[in-house]
Amino acid sequence: KNEVEQSPQNLTAQEGEFITINCSYSVGISALHWLQQHPGGGIVSLFMLSSGKKKHGRLIATINIQEKHSSLHITASHPRDSAVYICAVTPYMDSNYQLIWGAGTKLIIKP
Amino acid sequence: EPEVTQTPSHQVTQMGQEVILRCVPISNHLYFYWYRQILGQKVEFLVSFYNNEISEKSEIFDDQFSVERPDGSNFTLKIRSTKLEDSAMYFCASSDGTGPYEQYFGPGTRLTVT
Repeated sequence: KNEVEQSPQNLTAQEGEFITINCSYSVGISALHWLQQHPGGGIVSLFMLSSGKKKHGRLIATINIQEKHSSLHITASHPRDSAVYICAVTPYMDSNYQLIWGAGTKLIIKP
Repeated sequence: EPEVTQTPSHQVTQMGQEVILRCVPISNHLYFYWYRQILGQKVEFLVSFYNNEISEKSEIFDDQFSVERPDGSNFTLKIRSTKLEDSAMYFCASSDGTGPYEQYFGPGTRLTVT
């Protein structure tokens, strides 16, 4: 059983649409991370959160610890947002803070 | 802005050869990681390194793998005798502090074993 599940696997939308990507996890965590992977392969950390909500530009990340669920929202989506978005968690009491990764959501925004 | 760098960006090697992948973490960071991503699959944890020693390793990180921080700045991953299934993108990451801090990733090294 995967410890981190994302949905959808693939998402295609028109420019301007509001995007939601979901992440569920089954382990206790000390933090949840949203990362972006571009077609060239590089990985960029977008958010790290352990409660509530964070916002950066058009990106919003929320987490519900009780429900073990997080969402990443993109407002006013743009073709340059096209990438793979990955949810990863730092398990609670893992003193090495390694990440357990989801499989990613491939997002394509069409102009 | 400080960044994690990795060299080479792409390495092609023959099966059975040794490879060394190099990373320069952000200078004041304390934790270092190697992850790999086989094409089309999710990223997997390989090893974490803290205080000049391995702090945790995954099942993937068998005796063929080793890590080193030879000079206080570089962080290397060595694969002693490469196999076809070692072909993957290898990412180095580093983080600051002793909590679940944000990890900063290098651009990756694409390893192709032929």
